[in-house]
Amino acid sequence: ETGVTQSPTHLIKTRGQQVTLRCSSQSGHNTVSWYQQALGQGPQFIFQYYREEENGRGNFPPRFSGLQFPNYSSELNVNALELDDSALYLCASSSTPDTDTQYFGPGTRLTVL
Amino acid sequence: KNQVEQSPQSLIILEGKNCTLQCNYTVSPFSNLRWYKQDTGRGPVSLTIMTFSENTKSNGRYTATLDADTKQSSLHITASQLSDSASYICVVSGYSGGYNKLIFGAGTRLAVHP
Repeated sequence: ETGVTQSPTHLIKTRGQQVTLRCSSQSGHNTVSWYQQALGQGPQFIFQYYREEENGRGNFPPRFSGLQFPNYSSELNVNALELDDSALYLCASSSTPDTDTQYFGPGTRLTVL
Repeated sequence: KNQVEQSPQSLIILEGKNCTLQCNYTVSPFSNLRWYKQDTGRGPVSLTIMTFSENTKSNGRYTATLDADTKQSSLHITASQLSDSASYICVVSGYSGGYNKLIFGAGTRLAVHP
């Protein structure tokens, strides 16, 4: 186990709805990265948060947004859900933003109907 | 464009046999290359990590190789076990813009049959 937890485990939403996914990072880690993994594909980088601020972003539209809290836990929010948003959402924590040693959580499986 | 390509897409082998998975990458700047194992519906777990100057790295029955000149890597699994059934993902990282950017391959789905 990596010490990174995510909730919920599974989630079903309908198109147009909004969703919030949560991640608790490993103790002592101040950096959280979020990834989207479509079925049969590798994870795609969404964004990274470091000390409560966005520190980098992949090619995802603004309806994907995030937050990081003072305890370094994090949320991923997705507005106006689309069918293609159905995926496994992974968060990964690391001790600093410039280390590539990231510890992944088990993921949240989002299904959009 | 930064890309990581893996082959084969899927593989079936019998328990006890060896196999080799391939990874080609075009990522710049290059920091290191990792192989991850991902069980279905779970997060990836790191198996090996190699920097530019390393050619080979072992972790039990897993041995990874890296040729930084040709930008190719392989993961060799020896004496496969049923528990090796998983997706194996090659990940190349490069530091740019203040953070380490990880580029993931699509993975090779390995099934080990008794």
